[in-house]
Amino acid sequence: DIVMTQTPLSLSVTPGQPASISCKSSQSLLHSDGKTYLYWYLQKPGQSPQLLIYEVSSRFSGVPDRFSGSGSGTDFTLKISRVEAEDVGVYYCMQGIHLPFTFGPGTKVDIK
Amino acid sequence: EVQLVESGGGLVQPGGSLRLSCSASGFTFSSYAMHWVRQAPGKGLEYVSAISSNGGSTYYADSVKGRFTISRDNSKNTLYLQMSSLRAEDTAVYYCVLKSGYYWGQGTLVTVSS
Repeated sequence: DIVMTQTPLSLSVTPGQPASISCKSSQSLLHSDGKTYLYWYLQKPGQSPQLLIYEVSSRFSGVPDRFSGSGSGTDFTLKISRVEAEDVGVYYCMQGIHLPFTFGPGTKVDIK
Repeated sequence: EVQLVESGGGLVQPGGSLRLSCSASGFTFSSYAMHWVRQAPGKGLEYVSAISSNGGSTYYADSVKGRFTISRDNSKNTLYLQMSSLRAEDTAVYYCVLKSGYYWGQGTLVTVSS
C-alpha cells in the first residue's frame, strides 16, 4: 500500500496569516494518463470530510480561492493564503492512484 | 445536488452482523464506482471497500476481507455494505463516498461492543 505522510500534524494560525501543509507519498502518484491523483480534504468539527483540491491543484466547486495545491510525483503542498476562522478542522491528503486509497494522518488546524 | 445518505448503523455484539445502506441521488448512480471509508472515534480515515459502476468488480481492505461484502442495486440507486464477524476494532463511522472522495455522506456509526 502507498504510505502518505503529512507535516505538521498540528498548526495554530493567526487569522489572516498564511498556512501550509506538506504531504508526501511513498510512491509516485503520476498515472500513465498524465494525471496525478492527489486529493486534499477538510473535515470540520462534527462533519464529514469535504473535498478541497483534486488532482494536485484543481479547486473543487465552491472552494474559496485562498486554498491552493501544488506539487508533483511524491511531494505535495496545500496552502491557505489567509486563514479564516471557518478553516479550522483536520486536513487530510489522499492518494487515489492505487487501491486501497490511502490517507495521510491528518493535520489539525486551529486559530490562535 | 448530490446526496449520499447512509443508514443501518447501530450497536452490535462482537461476532454479529450488520448491513449498511447508502441511498444516492442527484447524479447517475450507475455510472460511478462507489466506496466505503471508515473513521474510528477520534482517529483518521481508513479505506474499506470499493465497487465498480456495474458491480462486477470489488475491492476490500485486508482488515475486512472475508468478513465484509460490498454490493449495489443500480435500479434503487443504493450501495450496501454487509458486515459480519464484527470485531471491536470495526467500531467507526462508516462513510459512503462517490468517486475519489468528491462527495461524502454524513456517515453512520457502527459500535461493536458487548
